[in-house]
Amino acid sequence: DVKVTQSSRYLVKRTGEKVFLECVQDMDHENMFWYRQDPGLGLRLIYFSYDVKMKEKGDIPEGYSVSREKKERFSLILESASTNQTSMYLCASRQGHREAFFGQGTRLTVV
Amino acid sequence: TQLLEQSPQFLSIQEGENLTVYCNSSSVFSSLQWYRQEPGEGPVLLVTVVTGGEVKKLKRLTFQFGDARKDSSLHITAAQPGDTGLYLCAGAGTGGFKTIFGAGTRLFVKA
Repeated sequence: DVKVTQSSRYLVKRTGEKVFLECVQDMDHENMFWYRQDPGLGLRLIYFSYDVKMKEKGDIPEGYSVSREKKERFSLILESASTNQTSMYLCASRQGHREAFFGQGTRLTVV
Repeated sequence: TQLLEQSPQFLSIQEGENLTVYCNSSSVFSSLQWYRQEPGEGPVLLVTVVTGGEVKKLKRLTFQFGDARKDSSLHITAAQPGDTGLYLCAGAGTGGFKTIFGAGTRLFVKA
């Protein structure tokens, strides 16, 4: 079975903190994605990566950065957390144009 | 821009009823996926349909891909409270790495 693991289920951070969300996949997938999911807005793509050290902006990259130093790991970084970044964050991985597999999600609250 | 429109957005039914959820687009997709997401969890892949006209069954769930590969439906027979969740359709966008997601159908099955 494909396994995508996010480092935290729940996080509470203060405004202005730097936040790291980690995601690891064990299927040797080329492509990895970070989404945020908010009520009424669905899944919105923040960043994706199609190879090690490669990254592309998604639809809402502002306030975020990413890092992919190893194929299995894709990190999302909130440089200076703000309350409007309170959300459910979902990591996914995918081989080519096949189906995506998701992690269990990280519920981030910024206070 | 490729879009996937899901309907209905919300559905509340009694246990034992049948229902159909639709996923429509004006664009052709090489494949479509259906996911189910429970509150606080990541989406879980249910099925991938690839061939136009394809029908796949997963116990009481029947998935169909339209002949032109622009739409898909999910039919649930004799719904149970355990079917409650958010159902998402998704497809690989053409000419890029993005996965296109529908906004989801939130299903609530009352006992």
